[in-house]
Amino acid sequence: GAVVSQHPSWVICKSGTSVKIECRSLDFQATTMFWYRQFPKQSLMLMATSNEGSKATYEQGVEKDKFLINHASLTLSTLTVTSAHPEDSSFYICSARETAVNQPQHFGDGTRLSIL
Amino acid sequence: QQQVKQSPQSLIVQKGGISIINCAYENTAFDYFPWYQQFPGKGPALLIAIRPDVSEKKEGRFTISFNKSAKQFSLHIMDSQPGDSATYFCAAPPPSYSGAGSYQLTFGKGTKLSVIP
Repeated sequence: GAVVSQHPSWVICKSGTSVKIECRSLDFQATTMFWYRQFPKQSLMLMATSNEGSKATYEQGVEKDKFLINHASLTLSTLTVTSAHPEDSSFYICSARETAVNQPQHFGDGTRLSIL
Repeated sequence: QQQVKQSPQSLIVQKGGISIINCAYENTAFDYFPWYQQFPGKGPALLIAIRPDVSEKKEGRFTISFNKSAKQFSLHIMDSQPGDSATYFCAAPPPSYSGAGSYQLTFGKGTKLSVIP
């Protein structure tokens, strides 16, 4: 089955640090990848849609300059949380869909980000 | 405005019982309705999905029932086991999706299922 790999799975860093999270589709090509944020005991909130070779589309209320997204290839998208602060602490999950029509979205195992 | 309404929020079922989770959607242009299962500290995993040309799809103990006229689909877990204890999410695209091209999934609020021995 389709596998999405996300790295790192857990990161703890000091306030003001920038953190990069990688999302890779291991056995399929993904023109579109998605980044979600999930707070404890809540649903997934879509942050942005990442399209290979073009700028990401951000959902309303998501700061583009805070959450930088790069989708440089058909198998890799990165999310960089710039100058992270404690309120950015959350569970970040990426998702990818195969390029072919009507394919399901597959999710990575998430990255738990803790900002001290 | 909640685009995907999922109920109940939590569910406790005895081992061997049937777990039923419901989802109501708005966008009739969509043709793919998935259910995801999420364990604590993990990303959601696609459990089962249905297309609206059928009213029911079964995979092992998991069944999706689809009611197009009511714009609802439900997940049934037969012979529920403690290992099924997880949070379940239904998903659908937003009302703005026209039925063609790229789309993103909007998730229900989730149902926390606890199967007790």
